[in-house]
Amino acid sequence: AQKITQTQPGMFVQEKEAVTLDCTYDTSDQSYGLFWYKQPSSGEMIFLIYQGSYDEQNATEGRYSLNFQKARKSANLVISASQLGDSAMYFCAMREGPFYQFYFGTGTSLTVIP
Amino acid sequence: EAGVVQSPRYKIIEKKQPVAFWCNPISGHNTLYWYLQNLGQGPELLIRYENEEAVDDSQLPKDRFSAERLKGVDSTLKIQPAELGDSAVYLCASSLQSTYNEQFFGPGTRLTVL
Repeated sequence: AQKITQTQPGMFVQEKEAVTLDCTYDTSDQSYGLFWYKQPSSGEMIFLIYQGSYDEQNATEGRYSLNFQKARKSANLVISASQLGDSAMYFCAMREGPFYQFYFGTGTSLTVIP
Repeated sequence: EAGVVQSPRYKIIEKKQPVAFWCNPISGHNTLYWYLQNLGQGPELLIRYENEEAVDDSQLPKDRFSAERLKGVDSTLKIQPAELGDSAVYLCASSLQSTYNEQFFGPGTRLTVL
């Protein structure tokens, strides 16, 4: 089974609108971490936001927020007030296990339309 | 603060040739990761170092891939001999420790095997 599933290969959003990128995960661990990364066309992965499995509140970082629904094993990224510079690939990732293994999803390509 | 440095940025070789990639992590970062990213996919962990010790190399194809991190600072990933299927982007990342939330990624090396 896939550890991280991102079901949206591509998404479009109007500039200044909000967009939600979906992510579901699979783990039997109680302690794990969830991450979102942005990868522009330049190729470098940029860390956006982190949610720990024991964190009760949803993580927020500026225009980014993580909608964490533990029972449903989902960790959706919400980008508010989209900007043209947000156009990129977005990857959801999970860290689990005693050896801190890291797993990435297949990514969602976001295009912000002026 | 300098980021993660990787070289070369691009490499084109013929199959069966050897190739090496170099990574210099952020100063003070104990943990170093090598990832492979195929086109349209998320990164897949190849090996993780804690200082100079390889603590997770379960996904490294050891028949042709090798890595080292002498003195626990910079690292080299080698492929010998390269195969057509090795064409991908090889990403290096570092973090203060494995338990640290954020990994900082380098720009990657794009390998093309002809």
